[in-house]
Amino acid sequence: RKEVEQDPGPFNVPEGATVAFNCTYSNSASQSFFWYRQDCRKEPKLLMSVYSSGNEDGRFTAQLNRASQYISLLIRDSKLSDSATYLCVVNSPGNTPLVFGKGTRLSVIA
Amino acid sequence: GAVVSQHPSWVICKSGTSVKIECRSLDFQATTMFWYRQFPKQSLMLMATSNEGSKATYEQGVEKDKFLINHASLTLSTLTVTSAHPEDSSFYICSAKQGAYGYTFGSGTRLTVV
Repeated sequence: RKEVEQDPGPFNVPEGATVAFNCTYSNSASQSFFWYRQDCRKEPKLLMSVYSSGNEDGRFTAQLNRASQYISLLIRDSKLSDSATYLCVVNSPGNTPLVFGKGTRLSVIA
Repeated sequence: GAVVSQHPSWVICKSGTSVKIECRSLDFQATTMFWYRQFPKQSLMLMATSNEGSKATYEQGVEKDKFLINHASLTLSTLTVTSAHPEDSSFYICSAKQGAYGYTFGSGTRLTVV
């Protein structure tokens, strides 16, 4: 079983749509959780951290369920510029590497 | 914020040759550098962890004699792909953790072996 699993998509949605991505992780010792965005042939960039209480950043809302080891990302009012691959990422305590999911590809269509 | 400079951005080389990729932390000291590889439509997979002044730790299935890692200073880590073959063609990227800034990535190197 992979450490971080995501639906690879692609998700093709019209502008203005709301889209949700899900992710599960297998390591119960994971302490930090993130969503990264990766554009084609580029390095991943941090979109937002994910907290148990849930957190929102503009049109983006992230949720974490530690009991189910489940993470979600909700994007409201999708823009063309949101088209990218969204990576679910987990991390254990200390100076340890980030563990990446395979990513979910989103295409927002005009 | 923390910046990691990675060079080259892309490289094409012939089979059997070696390629060196550099990652340099510009405004902080990176005692640890993580090296990842990403094949098309795949996730970033950790190859190795390099620690300044000591031997790198390689993930299972990664040949340490083929992927040479050197981390001789607190601001520079290098990955050398030796005797490259077409199956080594991939996107290689480094990452370092720097205090409150969290993890910073280099811009990646796209290697094509022909």
